[in-house]
Amino acid sequence: DAKTTQPTSMDCAEGRAANLPCNHSTISGNEYVYWYRQIHSQGPQYIIHGLKNNETNEMASLIITEDRKSSTLILPHATLRDTAVYYCIVSSGSARQLTFGSGTQLTVLP
Amino acid sequence: KAGVTQTPRYLIKTRGQQVTLSCSPISGHRSVSWYQQTPGQGLQFLFEYFSETQRNKGNFPGRFSGRQFSNSRSEMNVSTLELGDSALYLCASSGGLAGAWGEQFFGPGTRLTVL
Repeated sequence: DAKTTQPTSMDCAEGRAANLPCNHSTISGNEYVYWYRQIHSQGPQYIIHGLKNNETNEMASLIITEDRKSSTLILPHATLRDTAVYYCIVSSGSARQLTFGSGTQLTVLP
Repeated sequence: KAGVTQTPRYLIKTRGQQVTLSCSPISGHRSVSWYQQTPGQGLQFLFEYFSETQRNKGNFPGRFSGRQFSNSRSEMNVSTLELGDSALYLCASSGGLAGAWGEQFFGPGTRLTVL
């Protein structure tokens, strides 16, 4: 699996959009970009994934650059409950494992 | 739909003992993966089962093993426990389809403490 690079930590004001970047410059053509988050002491929670196109669901939006070397997870209106570690993962369906890095600690401030 | 359940939630063992952890996936999911999470190493993949077959294995010693039953429930076993095996063990299930395989649903984990 390709490696990812994420900032160690970020802060965001409550009610504002949180934009979490991820670099995955060695991603290959069949690898998806997945985002998970983990709230302290809980199991990771799937957020969203994409291959080439931008994606949106009820939780977040995923913007993938045209060259697929980076992506941004957008939480449109961050709340205190969005405080968590956010993981960006690239993986192919054939790899059948998620390789978690260190992630980004997002702290939403009141 | 009920989520992924793991039992027990907490476990205390001593060095040299063995332990079995259980995971019940979401109904209809055939793929079950196991992960170990420690403060030092983060989340690490142990193995993945699909239709009772181990399809992928991470970089862990043979003391770590698992199996999956016909109803997709899975167990993992750790023999000859070491202090370093103290961790949160997480189970995740998915539908197993290639494109959506990575959309995994995690259980709350089993917190294992080895004394």
